[in-house]
Amino acid sequence: ILNVEQSPQSLHVQEGDSTNFTCSFPSSNFYALHWYRWETAKSPEALFVMTLNGDEKKKGRISATLNTKEGYSYLYIKGSQPEDSATYLCAFISSGSARQLTFGSGTQLTVLP
Amino acid sequence: DVKVTQSSRYLVKRTGEKVFLECVQDMDHENMFWYRQDPGLGLRLIYFSYDVKMKEKGDIPEGYSVSREKKERFSLILESASTNQTSMYLCASKLRRGGEQFFGPGTRLTVL
Repeated sequence: ILNVEQSPQSLHVQEGDSTNFTCSFPSSNFYALHWYRWETAKSPEALFVMTLNGDEKKKGRISATLNTKEGYSYLYIKGSQPEDSATYLCAFISSGSARQLTFGSGTQLTVLP
Repeated sequence: DVKVTQSSRYLVKRTGEKVFLECVQDMDHENMFWYRQDPGLGLRLIYFSYDVKMKEKGDIPEGYSVSREKKERFSLILESASTNQTSMYLCASKLRRGGEQFFGPGTRLTVL
């Protein structure tokens, strides 16, 4: 079983604060790294699919970076809003089994108004 | 829009019962997955299927089986439900290797 770790486990920030969290994954046999957002009572939705070392992706106030050589990805949220409250999951895909995702345990973000 | 539906949002069963969880996707995806989600453990893969009648074990297949008779439908079966199978179950599908997964709304199963 591959080891994918996310930190912190949970986070409370004030509205307007910027925040970031980390996903660590194996640095060998890299194929792709996904980020998902999972809001309460909804289905997880993909934020980013990242495949190349050095990738930076952005969607509105949310961005992500990828370092495959050292095995980590950061997710940044600029100017957090209450609607950003969700659990953020990363998922690693190994080149050995590119159909299968291994998920981290997630970072639960709460943005306080 | 890709749509993945699951047969029930909430389900309560008794220990020893046979339980079927159904998942249907409408976008002709080859790959379908069943996960369970427990607090602090993230999403753990139970089984997946990359084609009709094909199935592969995930990380935690014990106590579960699956069926994929049609491309759009992937069923998770608990042959004899136990209390440690109380969990949130999520189905997902995707089109290709490495591509994003599309999730259903989840079924919260309670086994008494």
